[in-house]
Amino acid sequence: GAGVSQSPRYKVAKRGQDVALRCDPISGHVSLFWYQQALGQGPEFLTYFQNEAQLDKSGLPSDRFFAERPEGSVSTLKIQRTQQEDSAVYLCASSSLTRAYNEQFFGPGTRLTVL
Amino acid sequence: GENVEQHPSTLSVQEGDSAVIKCTYSDSASNYFPWYKQELGKRPQLIIDIRSNVGEKKDQRIAVTLNKTAKHFSLHITETQPEDSAVYFCAASIPPAYKYIFGTGTRLKVLA
Repeated sequence: GAGVSQSPRYKVAKRGQDVALRCDPISGHVSLFWYQQALGQGPEFLTYFQNEAQLDKSGLPSDRFFAERPEGSVSTLKIQRTQQEDSAVYLCASSSLTRAYNEQFFGPGTRLTVL
Repeated sequence: GENVEQHPSTLSVQEGDSAVIKCTYSDSASNYFPWYKQELGKRPQLIIDIRSNVGEKKDQRIAVTLNKTAKHFSLHITETQPEDSAVYFCAASIPPAYKYIFGTGTRLKVLA
């Protein structure tokens, strides 16, 4: 079946603009994660959804970052008033269950460049 | 705090030699340790994983070992091939969300 998809794949924003990044998880996957990957670094956790409930948003770097998953499938990560330090690849991952030992399947990421 | 350290940051080996990447985690609640391979511009792909109740796991040329007492786990690749060249990330899964805490990555170059 189809894997995790993300759109857009590339986004260039001027500093101060708002952006919205979309994630389509694997159909039926309960858990959805967002990660931020800076150049040359490992992915860093941003937030986690179990179905439509956002259960962990401890990794969101500021109140400019907001994520939602209103119907428990597609998720959107919104960044308001973008700053240059927001430039990174934003990865979405989904997994089928909520227990331990559960592989996360990653999307291709959205590369955000803030000028 | 939640932290995963990974070494080395870069590793060059001759084709056919072995490669070893080491990680250390801090959160004793971690119970699952996946390894991902990421090629340039591509998504991370799981290559092997290990649960906390297992000490070693092998899949063809790839093996992972876990020492829970020392909070160390390692990736071993034998008979390396040029297509093994990529960035490798270790991770520790943290309950209750089972989010991943990733290491900083190891860039592996296999020289033909």
